[in-house]
Amino acid sequence: GEQVEQRPPHLSVREGDSAFITCTYTDPNSYYFFWYKQEPGASLQLLMKVFSSTEINEGQGFTVLLNKKDKRLSLNLTAAHPGDSAAYFCAVSGETQVVGQLTFGSGTRLQVYA
Amino acid sequence: GPKVLQIPSHQIIDMGQMVTLNCDPVSNHLYFYWYKQILGQQMEFLVNFYNGKVMEKSKLFKDQFSVERPDGSYFTLKIQPTALEDSAVYFCASSFQLVIGAEQFFGPGTRLTVL
Repeated sequence: GEQVEQRPPHLSVREGDSAFITCTYTDPNSYYFFWYKQEPGASLQLLMKVFSSTEINEGQGFTVLLNKKDKRLSLNLTAAHPGDSAAYFCAVSGETQVVGQLTFGSGTRLQVYA
Repeated sequence: GPKVLQIPSHQIIDMGQMVTLNCDPVSNHLYFYWYKQILGQQMEFLVNFYNGKVMEKSKLFKDQFSVERPDGSYFTLKIQPTALEDSAVYFCASSFQLVIGAEQFFGPGTRLTVL
């Protein structure tokens, strides 16, 4: 089945710097991709959902890149600020999984310091 | 935005006891899910549920697990009896659709510790 590997597990950056998180997946039939943010004690909040036809996806303060050839999904937080400190999870969905099942990465704990 | 609530946030029980985890999904959602996350590992799919029935379950959904949503109240995950390896954070999610790529709304999780 689908395997998703997420790196790095922990990331600490200075305020104003970029934070880059990457997930690699194994199933070429995956075609929906998600990034979630989870603040301590709170629910996972959807940052962005990406369909496989779009390689560059701009959000508010971040960019999501999808490289289908390398089966890599990336989240780049540009000019990070302390409010970005949270856990970030990627998730993948596709035809070979149970419909509605998301396969998650193991998460990245991001700390942004002033 | 829409919120999924989970009760309790933490639960500590002795091995062999029964535990029920409660989820209050988004009000107009029809599909419900449980995921399990062992500390430091990925969140893994357990089960999805629609119209009173389990639709799909993973190999992690042991015989000791059951789910139900009686009369549109809480969507529950019951573990009876519990084992040490059931210690994890359990996340509930709900969605309006059951299609590939449908957005799932997650609760904050229930941290279960089995002693």
